[in-house]
Amino acid sequence: GDSVTQMEGPVTLSEEAFLTINCTYTATGYPSLFWYVQYPGEGLQLLLKATKADDKGSNKGFEATYRKETTSFHLEKGSVQVSDSAVYFCALNDYGGATNKLIFGTGTLLAVQP
Amino acid sequence: EAGVAQSPRYKIIEKRQSVAFWCNPISGHATLYWYQQILGQGPKLLIQFQNNGVVDDSQLPKDRFSAERLKGVDSTLKIQPAKLEDSAVYLCASQRGRTDTQYFGPGTRLTVL
Repeated sequence: GDSVTQMEGPVTLSEEAFLTINCTYTATGYPSLFWYVQYPGEGLQLLLKATKADDKGSNKGFEATYRKETTSFHLEKGSVQVSDSAVYFCALNDYGGATNKLIFGTGTLLAVQP
Repeated sequence: EAGVAQSPRYKIIEKRQSVAFWCNPISGHATLYWYQQILGQGPKLLIQFQNNGVVDDSQLPKDRFSAERLKGVDSTLKIQPAKLEDSAVYLCASQRGRTDTQYFGPGTRLTVL
């Protein structure tokens, strides 16, 4: 079945460092891809999404490009801030079936130090 | 626009007891989901409703879990009897249309002792 694999954490960076969190997927159809973020004590929030190959999703300085040839959707940010400390989840949604469920990776904890 | 509401936020029970969680989706959202998030894992779908009908409950342990969505709005998820492995965060999400964004509530953290 469909699945998502993302790099394990925790990822610890200093403020203003460059961030990459790797995500690869396996899917039989043509999924949409998502990054969700979970700040401490809060629910999941959509960070960005891409719905087809070569699309780039972006939000709050974060970017991810849908790469069909490498089945990847890596999350990047040029300069992280302490406020970016959170758990980041990569997910896919294959709209081909009756269900619209999101399939999540295991999450990557990002800790940004001042 | 108000977000997805869930209650309670935290619950601690003994094994073999029963527990219920409540979710109020965003107004006008036809689709409602319950996900289970075990510590260190990503959320996994338990059940999906479209209005008040069940679309997918293939991952719901039906011997102990039940869920309903009366009148196509609020939903409750019940566990009876609870097991230690049910300790998790239970997330409710809602969605307006089939390809729209899923919005998540803050979750209910369940601890089974």
